[in-house]
Parts: sequence; C-alpha cells; structure tokens
Amino acid sequence: KAGVTQTPRYLIKTRGQQVTLSCSPISGHRSVSWYQQTPGQGLQFLFEYFSETQRNKGNFPGRFSGRQFSNSRSEMNVSTLELGDSALYLCASRRIPGENTEAFFGQGTRLTVV
Amino acid sequence: SQELEQSPQSLIVQEGKNLTINCTSSKTLYGLYWYKQKYGEGLIFLMMLQKGGEEKSHEKITAKLDEKKQQSSLHITASQPSHAGIYLCGADIGGSNYKLTFGKGTLLTVNP
Repeated sequence: KAGVTQTPRYLIKTRGQQVTLSCSPISGHRSVSWYQQTPGQGLQFLFEYFSETQRNKGNFPGRFSGRQFSNSRSEMNVSTLELGDSALYLCASRRIPGENTEAFFGQGTRLTVV
Repeated sequence: SQELEQSPQSLIVQEGKNLTINCTSSKTLYGLYWYKQKYGEGLIFLMMLQKGGEEKSHEKITAKLDEKKQQSSLHITASQPSHAGIYLCGADIGGSNYKLTFGKGTLLTVNP
C-alpha cells in the first residue's frame, strides 16, 4: 500500500509569487490535513479537509488556502509569498477524521522563498 | 502557551542507555500519538494510545498514557544510534476531531 505522497519535494520561489503543493493520501483515506513546520514554531496546523470540505482551519492568513478533490487528493496554495513562508509543509492522511484514528505523514515539501 | 509540552527539549545519551521523553497537556487527551522525524523529512508513525493506563511497545520503544489522560511518556531501552532523531507527540485535544496538536519535539542524540 503506497504511503502519503507529496509533490514537489523541493521548491524555490520568489517573494510575491504563488505556489501550489499537492498531497495524495493513502488509498482509502478520506481526511487530509496540512501543517507548516519551522524551527521556531514547530508543527503548526493549517487546515484539514474531509469529503471535499474544509472542517477546521488554523491561525494562518487568508493567503493560505486549500482544497480537496473527489478522489481525496488535496492541494494547498500560498499566494503573495513572503520570506517567512519558507518552511517544510507536511500533509497527513487519516482514514476518517476523529479521535483515535492514526495519521500518516508524507515526506513534505521544502519551500524556500527568496 | 503551548497546548502540548514536551520535555526535555533535547537529550544526549550514550549508546546502550535508557531514556524517557514526556508529553504533558493541560487538557484531557483524546488519543495520543508518537512520531519520529529525521531532520527535514516527514513524520514516521510510532504508536497511538487511546485509553488511560494504556501501554504499547514496539521493539525497544514503550509508550504509556497515564490514567488521567493528560500525560504520556516514551521510553527507549538500550538506545542505539538508529534511535536518534526528533520525537514528537501529537494529540486530539478537547475532542476536536479535525485537528491534531503537536508538541515542539525532543531532539535525541545517541553517541556511539
């Protein structure tokens, strides 16, 4: 069974540009959540999608958005990139959202904004 | 303030030694997860604990969720260099089904 796949693995963008990151969950998993990881802040929750609906959102500006498709694949978009957006972006998939359901992570996308 | 506090923040041990990492919450934990991460990579799922008093083991790693469900510990027996990495605890806090909250992690170094 394939794991969580994130593409691309590495990305370098210029300030002001926008970027789209992709996450394919484990087959049969319908919940996808996104996290930003930086050395100073640790893992910060961005949002979670289930059945193509955003169910919860973290404390990030509106420049961060996402969506989920009918096949459960998810994308997140960051517009008007800032230097502070440089981070490792991780997605996690769960069979369903909820307590006591294991969450499996992808390898992440390392975004560098210059 | 951080909802999940991990201690210690970093740990250096000699190969063969035992060690413990703690994860504490001020709220009831509904499901506690332990992960390991190599720098710059994704999180590797280790264990999930659900019930107060539950204890699980995998190879030389044991994790326990205390009875009051507000603290968990991860214990490594006879550490090896392969155990080195960042250990993170994550939890469903306050019954929020759609958000896993994480501690800031514990950086473990194992010297041969």
